[in-house]
Amino acid sequence: DGGITQSPKYLFRKEGQNVTLSCEQNLNHDAMYWYRQDPGQGLRLIYYSQIVNDFQKGDIAEGYSVSREKKESFPLTVTSAQKNPTAFYLCASSIYASYTFGSGTRLTVV
Amino acid sequence: QKEVEQNSGPLSVPEGAIASLNCTYSDRGSQSFFWYRQYSGKSPELIMFIYSNGDKEDGRFTAQLNKASQYVSLLIRDSQPSDSATYLCAGRAGGNNAGNMLTFGGGTRLMVKP
Repeated sequence: DGGITQSPKYLFRKEGQNVTLSCEQNLNHDAMYWYRQDPGQGLRLIYYSQIVNDFQKGDIAEGYSVSREKKESFPLTVTSAQKNPTAFYLCASSIYASYTFGSGTRLTVV
Repeated sequence: QKEVEQNSGPLSVPEGAIASLNCTYSDRGSQSFFWYRQYSGKSPELIMFIYSNGDKEDGRFTAQLNKASQYVSLLIRDSQPSDSATYLCAGRAGGNNAGNMLTFGGGTRLMVKP
């Protein structure tokens, strides 16, 4: 079955540590996105990529980095520069503006 | 900045009633609109989309679009407790540079009481 897989489901980060969230899709979608969701809030765009080897900053890119070396993969690194990273992170891919979301990663700073 | 606005709620309706969820948008170039349902701690799932003025019905759900007023709504008939969730409205801008980018509203929390 085609879909989009995020891992891990839960992630704990220590102060000053970089962590990487995985996002893999087998839907053959060109476009992929990373969103952050805080409790009771909507989705805020971190980064997006419309094609391999190209990506653009979204509204809240500071403290985050991404790569798009393969069509199927769009990992997100939360760096130590992100001072308040505790949130629910959602990856999505799309074709014709119909988004498919992964199941999300809940990141907590400990 | 192009925005999609929603009342955060919660919107509380009794079981069996019609729930009306509303959304306004600022970008007149927006071409199509999407409604997603998100249960607590889960990822959003697409309910329906609309791109033409007027109504679009799918089962208990009706989406309404009024481009002149820049207004989108979602009606849920015969609301059930299982409909209790956060509903996200999203708009897609027009033009080739927009790609498939969606701009999401903050979501409205719906509570359906038995």
